[in-house]
Amino acid sequence: AQKVTQAQTEISVVEKEDVTLDCVYETRDTTYYLFWYKQPPSGELVFLIRRNSFDEQNEISGRYSWNFQKSTSSFNFTITASQVVDSAVYFCALSEAYSGGYQKVTFGTGTKLQVIP
Amino acid sequence: DAMVIQNPRYQVTQFGKPVTLSCSQTLNHNVMYWYQQKSSQAPKLLFHYYDKDFNNEADTPDNFQSRRPNTSFCFLDIRSPGLGDAAMYLCATSLSQGIGETQYFGPGTRLLVL
Repeated sequence: AQKVTQAQTEISVVEKEDVTLDCVYETRDTTYYLFWYKQPPSGELVFLIRRNSFDEQNEISGRYSWNFQKSTSSFNFTITASQVVDSAVYFCALSEAYSGGYQKVTFGTGTKLQVIP
Repeated sequence: DAMVIQNPRYQVTQFGKPVTLSCSQTLNHNVMYWYQQKSSQAPKLLFHYYDKDFNNEADTPDNFQSRRPNTSFCFLDIRSPGLGDAAMYLCATSLSQGIGETQYFGPGTRLLVL
C-alpha cells in the first residue's frame, strides 16, 4: 500500500531562516508522481510542484527548491530566506495508478510551518 | 481567471438536517473530486466524477452522496449530518483522471454541525 510520511508535525523558524520540510513515501510501483501543496489559513490547497518518478532532477523556483532522492524515497522541500507569508500547512502527496485507470492520491499528514517575524 | 469556486465558505447545520455543498469550476476539467479534511489531518477522498462516471471510495459512508448535473458543477449532499461530519470539505478538479494529473482545489467549505 502506498504511504506518505511527513514526520515533522510543526516547525517554527525566524524570518529569513532556511527551512526544509521532509517527505518520505512508500510505493511498490515504478511509475508514480509526487506533489507538494501549500494550505494557508484560508484553507485552499495551492499546488506547488509535481515530479514524476523518472525525473530525479532537483528543481528551484525562486525561494523554493525540491530534492527528489529515489534511493531514500524522499522528496524534500526547502524554503530559502523564509517569509511570514510562507506560514501554512504543507502537504506532500503521492499519485499512483489505481484500478479502473484513475489515480489514487495519498496525502501526508502535513507539516505546519510558522515563520516568526 | 480560471478557478474552482465553493459555496458557501461556511455552513452551519443541525444534527440530522440535510445539507448541500456546491462546487463550480471554470477550468473545463473532466474530473471533479470531493475531499473531507478534519482538523490537523490529511484530506480524505470521498468520491470523484470523471465526466458523468461516478467513483465512490470504498469507505465513504452512505450518508454522503454527490451529483454532477453538468461539467461545471458538482454537489455534495450529506443526508443526515452527525457531529463527526464537521470538517472542511474541499472540492478539486483535474483535466483527466490518469496518474499524475494535478488537482486544483477550491477554497473549501467549513461545515459545523450543531
